[in-house]
Amino acid sequence: EPEVTQTPSHQVTQMGQEVILRCVPISNHLYFYWYRQILGQKVEFLVSFYNNEISEKSEIFDDQFSVERPDGSNFTLKIRSTKLEDSAMYFCASRVSDRGFTGELFFGEGSRLTVL
Amino acid sequence: DAKTTQPNSMESNEEEPVHLPCNHSTISGTDYIHWYRQLPSQGPEYVIHGLTSNVNNRMASLAIAEDRKSSTLILHRATLRDAAVYYCILTPYNTDKLIFGTGTRLQVFP
Repeated sequence: EPEVTQTPSHQVTQMGQEVILRCVPISNHLYFYWYRQILGQKVEFLVSFYNNEISEKSEIFDDQFSVERPDGSNFTLKIRSTKLEDSAMYFCASRVSDRGFTGELFFGEGSRLTVL
Repeated sequence: DAKTTQPNSMESNEEEPVHLPCNHSTISGTDYIHWYRQLPSQGPEYVIHGLTSNVNNRMASLAIAEDRKSSTLILHRATLRDAAVYYCILTPYNTDKLIFGTGTRLQVFP
């Protein structure tokens, strides 16, 4: 069964460093997302991306965050200058539909980011 | 965003049916009802979704009240692998972001 893959599974970084989290969405999917989950808290929407543009972003997704689809397969989340509060599990997700939201979003296993 | 209310936790024995309730009294006519689950240390996983009619798939059934103010996710025979947090999420038809609540933590006992 096709799946969304994420790397790295765990990254430890120092505060102020740049981090890039990588995702390979399912190949025929057109819509891409990042969510995050701080330990013990809710899963939170960060950003949606379609046709090489951000479709929607949350208040969390400030200027320190950026997303990119550098080639036909990868989808990346960059945090320019990490803060302690960026420590969380980051989930990439994708879906196929191009006719409005009809259901299934496929999530990856997540990348755990620890900022020291 | 329309709000949902779910019990914090529920318990079941293996091979028994489980009915997970969700109240969404402020649902609007164009809100879809989605259920996702999150197994320990994993990303969320789609379970089922519906609009007005009851829905069945290989994982579960979704029973939607006639007035759409509540719904129930039914796992017909719980297995240990079904132990997870189950999220009931309302999503307007014209948006594609999921707003997760705290969900119901389901424990399944052998």
